[in-house]
Amino acid sequence: QKEVEQNSGPLSVPEGAIASLNCTYSDRGSQSFFWYRQYSGKSPELIMFIYSNGDKEDGRFTAQLNKASQYVSLLIRDSQPSDSATYLCAVQIANAGNMLTFGGGTRLMVKP
Amino acid sequence: DAGVTQSPTHLIKTRGQHVTLRCSPISGHKSVSWYQQVLGQGPQFIFQYYEKEERGRGNFPDRFSARQFPNYSSELNVNALLLGDSALYLCASSLEGLGAPNGYTFGSGTRLTVV
Repeated sequence: QKEVEQNSGPLSVPEGAIASLNCTYSDRGSQSFFWYRQYSGKSPELIMFIYSNGDKEDGRFTAQLNKASQYVSLLIRDSQPSDSATYLCAVQIANAGNMLTFGGGTRLMVKP
Repeated sequence: DAGVTQSPTHLIKTRGQHVTLRCSPISGHKSVSWYQQVLGQGPQFIFQYYEKEERGRGNFPDRFSARQFPNYSSELNVNALLLGDSALYLCASSLEGLGAPNGYTFGSGTRLTVV
């Protein structure tokens, strides 16, 4: 079983819709959770991080964390074609230093 | 301020050769981590260095080694290159060595192709 799992997609949504990206993780010692966006041929860029159960909002992005279910999600409201990218979920485990464990990413396509 | 800089941006090597990749962290950042990203997959942790000491090592063979210099820049070395080493190598910079609460800043990466 992979430590961090994501549906590879592609997830296709129309412009203006809400895109919902999901991620599950296996290690209950996971303490910090990150969402990165990666455009084709580019390096990952940090969108959001979340530590506590519940929702965290930043502009059009909302991260949701449920530690009991070992589940973290990213909602993108009012999706734009420029949001088309691969979204990587990453988990930091307690006592594992600075290491992040990444999922395989979900490819999002926003159609005009 | 300059971000994380990596060099070279692209590299083509032959099987069996050796390669050295370089990274300069954001000014003031003392931790550098290296990740390998094979096409279609998420990044995989290779090494972390903090204050010139190795703080973590991923599940990579001994052909992979790294070091951090007094100015906090870092080198990743890979010996006896295999075709499977072809990947995007990412350097990540963070202020602290343990538990970077704000996540990493990645460099633009070095695209290594082994032929």
